[in-house]
Amino acid sequence: ETGVTQTPRHLVMGMTNKKSLKCEQHLGHNAMYWYKQSAKKPLELMFVYSLEERVENNSVPSRFSPECPNSSHLFLHLHTLQPEDSALYLCASSQDGGDNEQFFGPGTRLTVL
Amino acid sequence: RKEVEQDPGPFNVPEGATVAFNCTYSNSASQSFFWYRQDCRKEPKLLMSVYSSGNEDGRFTAQLNRASQYISLLIRDSKLSDSATYLCVAWAGKLIFGQGTELSVKP
Repeated sequence: ETGVTQTPRHLVMGMTNKKSLKCEQHLGHNAMYWYKQSAKKPLELMFVYSLEERVENNSVPSRFSPECPNSSHLFLHLHTLQPEDSALYLCASSQDGGDNEQFFGPGTRLTVL
Repeated sequence: RKEVEQDPGPFNVPEGATVAFNCTYSNSASQSFFWYRQDCRKEPKLLMSVYSSGNEDGRFTAQLNRASQYISLLIRDSKLSDSATYLCVAWAGKLIFGQGTELSVKP
């Protein structure tokens, strides 16, 4: 069973809604990540946090806003999304960043109407 | 050009078959390589790291050719439970994923 949990598992929202995705890791890691996985496309890295500090923003639109209040929790705040933002959003964590193994959560399946 | 490119799938093979996945990467600065496995509607999980000398883990063998920027994964004696999507991954300051190759092992 993965040590990374995500809520909600499924989310349907309109383009004018504001919602948040939550991720929690129980592995004692100090780096956390948000990825986007669209159908038939590779996983795309969105954000990286190391020791609660954002170290990577992979040219993600400002309608996605991450928050990392502590090393165990990561949020992705969503507002005024577009239908093309519909995808599986995966959270991951690792120890010390770098090329160490990343452990993924089960993801949130997001549909934007 | 995709940074990490994999064989298009799906691969449909009978139980007991040997199947090989190929992968190429474009960034010569990539330092580490991995194969992740993603079951249908599940999250990716690390299958194995790939070392220059080649490495084996039971029925799975991974190889890396830095000169050709090529990575492979060989699965011997395939099982029904091997059915999944296999993701080739390179690390060049961040993990860069291929689009994945779907494997379906049939009885």
